[in-house]
Amino acid sequence: QTVVTQEPSFSVSPGGTVTLTCGLSFGSVSTSYYPSWYQQTPGQAPRTLIYSTNTRSSGVPDRFSGSILGNKAALTITGAQADDESDYYCVLYMGSGIWVFGGGTKLTVL
Amino acid sequence: QLQLQESGPGLVKPSETLSLTCSVSGGSISSSSYYWGWIRQPPGKGLEWIGSIYYSGSTYYNPSLKSRVTISVDTSKNQFSLKLSSVTAADTAVYYCARVESDSQFDPWGQGTLVTVSS
Repeated sequence: QTVVTQEPSFSVSPGGTVTLTCGLSFGSVSTSYYPSWYQQTPGQAPRTLIYSTNTRSSGVPDRFSGSILGNKAALTITGAQADDESDYYCVLYMGSGIWVFGGGTKLTVL
Repeated sequence: QLQLQESGPGLVKPSETLSLTCSVSGGSISSSSYYWGWIRQPPGKGLEWIGSIYYSGSTYYNPSLKSRVTISVDTSKNQFSLKLSSVTAADTAVYYCARVESDSQFDPWGQGTLVTVSS
């Protein structure tokens, strides 16, 4: 069974930069998996941040960026703000209509 | 602006079938560019893709749920539906519907609806 891996938790200082990653239990993540990233605050539906590896969704500040770093997809937040404290999820497209979400990363800004 | 809204019972008994509907407004479910999906999130846990459907009726399911899931579409009502059979407490979750843009993203999402499995 395919497992998509994310750091369970991460901490960043206000104004700092943090990179969250999204990996595979087997092999490497490439653009062919069309990684996308979602931000979720408690009680709310997820909000799209990045899709197709590095395309920012409408209205998303440019301090959020996506990339492939090594063998993983990555979400980088530059100049972290207090309201960036959220859960972040990646999802990978496995082909044949199948998607797999990562377990999510809880980001703390302090 | 496209909006999605989930509806259905908030309480289902164990071993019964969970049934939810997602109503789409502000756009056509018959658009050739999109699929329509269901995602769930157990309390305090992460997101899990359940399955997706194309307006033509082609379906794609999470292999771990495939034996219990049926997703259908009603283009006349601009709705799609989820049925999950033989539910247990482990199926208690917030269920979201979302538009699936080809192979790129889930957007937008419905607000989600909590379904509790309990006798």
